[in-house]
Amino acid sequence: AQSVTQPDIHITVSEGASLELRCNYSYGATPYLFWYVQSPGQGLQLLLKYFSGDTLVQGIKGFEAEFKRSQSSFNLRKPSVHWSDAAEYFCAAVSGTYKYIFGTGTRLKVLA
Amino acid sequence: EAQVTQNPRYLITVTGKKLTVTCSQNMNHEYMSWYRQDPGLGLRQIYYSMNVEVTDKGDVPEGYKVSRKEKRNFPLILESPSPNQTSLYFCASSSMGQGKNIQYFGAGTRLSVL
Repeated sequence: AQSVTQPDIHITVSEGASLELRCNYSYGATPYLFWYVQSPGQGLQLLLKYFSGDTLVQGIKGFEAEFKRSQSSFNLRKPSVHWSDAAEYFCAAVSGTYKYIFGTGTRLKVLA
Repeated sequence: EAQVTQNPRYLITVTGKKLTVTCSQNMNHEYMSWYRQDPGLGLRQIYYSMNVEVTDKGDVPEGYKVSRKEKRNFPLILESPSPNQTSLYFCASSSMGQGKNIQYFGAGTRLSVL
């Protein structure tokens, strides 16, 4: 069955430190891949997307993600985290059937 | 302004009392979808629609109905709500076609079924 896995439920980093959030997918063919962020009490905002081509994708707010086909991964990174990045992050995928699958989310806490 | 509008934002109801959550988009998107978000489970797709009069089940369709009579509207119907449908619900829409599948989300509807 198709699936999206975010292995880390919670991650805590210090402000200014680097960040990597993991995402693994299981699909027959490479799906479209997305990262969304959800601040407390808010809806979902798209950070970045991967459809094809360059495997390093740049997004908003200084985030980037790298698609690795061999590892079925699409990890999100940020070189220097700001306190305002504290939120919940969701990885998502969609294939040709147009059924979207989301990971269970990673809640990021930023220490001052 | 491009947006997806859900109403109501908050709803408290009782078991068995039919309710409808509305969703409307002004971007002329073909694709619309409903999700529920529960702690520890992320977002799970309830139903989706790829065009007017075309709807398909997502991963958790039981207890829900949808309709797509107009392109801009995609209401979610709970004919007989139960407490296990207490959740945060999101509507989303997107264009379709290669490279266009970027979903825009509504602000969410928090439903409590007593």
